[in-house]
Amino acid sequence: QLVLTQSPSVSASLGASVKLACTLNSGHSDYVIAWHQQQPEKGPRFLMKVNSDGSHTKGGGIPDRFSGSSSGAERYLIISSLQPEDEADYYCQTWGIGFHGVFGGGTKLTVL
Amino acid sequence: EVQLLESGGGLVQPGGSLRLSCAASGFTFSKHAMTWVRQAPGKGLEWISGISGSAYNTYDAGSVKGRFIISRDNSKNTLYLQIDSLRADDTAVYYCARMEYELLSSVADWGQGTLVTVSS
Repeated sequence: QLVLTQSPSVSASLGASVKLACTLNSGHSDYVIAWHQQQPEKGPRFLMKVNSDGSHTKGGGIPDRFSGSSSGAERYLIISSLQPEDEADYYCQTWGIGFHGVFGGGTKLTVL
Repeated sequence: EVQLLESGGGLVQPGGSLRLSCAASGFTFSKHAMTWVRQAPGKGLEWISGISGSAYNTYDAGSVKGRFIISRDNSKNTLYLQIDSLRADDTAVYYCARMEYELLSSVADWGQGTLVTVSS
């Protein structure tokens, strides 16, 4: 069974950078994941896919401030020059035969 | 522009049934797998069910197997979710989403969601 683990909450200052992590459990370290953003009272929005080699593909209209990277079983979402509108919940997601689809528990990002 | 418009949510009694619909536009519907994801009040996203572009393959989360049936009508560009034997813990916003490819893949676009409330 594939499990994605995220920290429940992270805070960072306006204008700073933050790195959110999504950890794949043992035996699944080569999986591609997707990052989704959910601003308060809104539906989710696809941000990007992140591959095991760290390459990433962003969705349309996603600012350059958003990027992705990888290290082993960790997949990261990096947000630079934090803006007030970046305060949101961020979810990682993956898919595969046998377990089909799974989301991480989400990380609530607070911009101070 | 991809548009996904869910409908069919509402208040339903425990044990009742609902059929959710998702009208899709802005892309070649049959070329993309589709999925339903739900979010209970104050909780995270939960993947429920997916279906390949051709409808040949369906993928269900174990938690809803047997009660939720996903289907699609490619001639109408519409995705459906039949939900039976509804329980209080099925109360959630249900999102329709487009996957990147014809088979299981990344969610690439989301609808705005439809609220299902199960209560007597």
